[in-house]
Amino acid sequence: QKEVEQDPGPLSVPEGAIVSLNCTYSNSAFQYFMWYRQYSRKGPELLMYTYSSGNKEDGRFTAQVDKSSKYISLFIRDSQPSDSATYLCAHPQVIKAAGNKLTFGGGTRVLVKP
Amino acid sequence: NAGVMQNPRHLVRRRGQEARLRCSPMKGHSHVYWYRQLPEEGLKFMVYLQKENIIDESGMPKERFSAEFPKEGPSILRIQQVVRGDSAAYFCASSPPVRGNTGELFFGEGSRLTVL
Repeated sequence: QKEVEQDPGPLSVPEGAIVSLNCTYSNSAFQYFMWYRQYSRKGPELLMYTYSSGNKEDGRFTAQVDKSSKYISLFIRDSQPSDSATYLCAHPQVIKAAGNKLTFGGGTRVLVKP
Repeated sequence: NAGVMQNPRHLVRRRGQEARLRCSPMKGHSHVYWYRQLPEEGLKFMVYLQKENIIDESGMPKERFSAEFPKEGPSILRIQQVVRGDSAAYFCASSPPVRGNTGELFFGEGSRLTVL
């Protein structure tokens, strides 16, 4: 079983709709999670990180963690065509010498149609 | 402050040739990571380096792949005797020393290797 899994999509929504993205993880000890956004032919960039259970909001983006079901969600309100990208959830793991190893899900491709 | 710089952006090699991918971290970052992204797959950790040291290479294939981060110059990911299965996007990321679990990795735009 993969440590972090996502539905690959694509997920197609009309402009202005709410985009709902999900990720599952296997290890109940995981506490921190990150969402990265990757535009086509570009490198990933950090959207937001979240800790344990509950919600975290940043502008149009809301991240949720449900520890009981080992489920991570990202919601994008008032979606724009510029939100069209692949969204990757990741679990960070601090490793030796103050490093940070990220384990990524496979990513979900989102297409917001004008 | 320039971001993580990778070159070449695109590289074409024939089977059996060598591929060298270069990465210059962001200014002030001492940690370099290499990730590989196969078509339609997520990013997979390969190796973590600091200057002149390989810290964690648990994701590196045992053969043909090597990485270095010399005292001077960029980090290099080297693939010897490339095969078609090596075709992928290789991303470099950098960070300062991590404090806690929320340390961000800053990614370059990737080097896309095609093996003919």
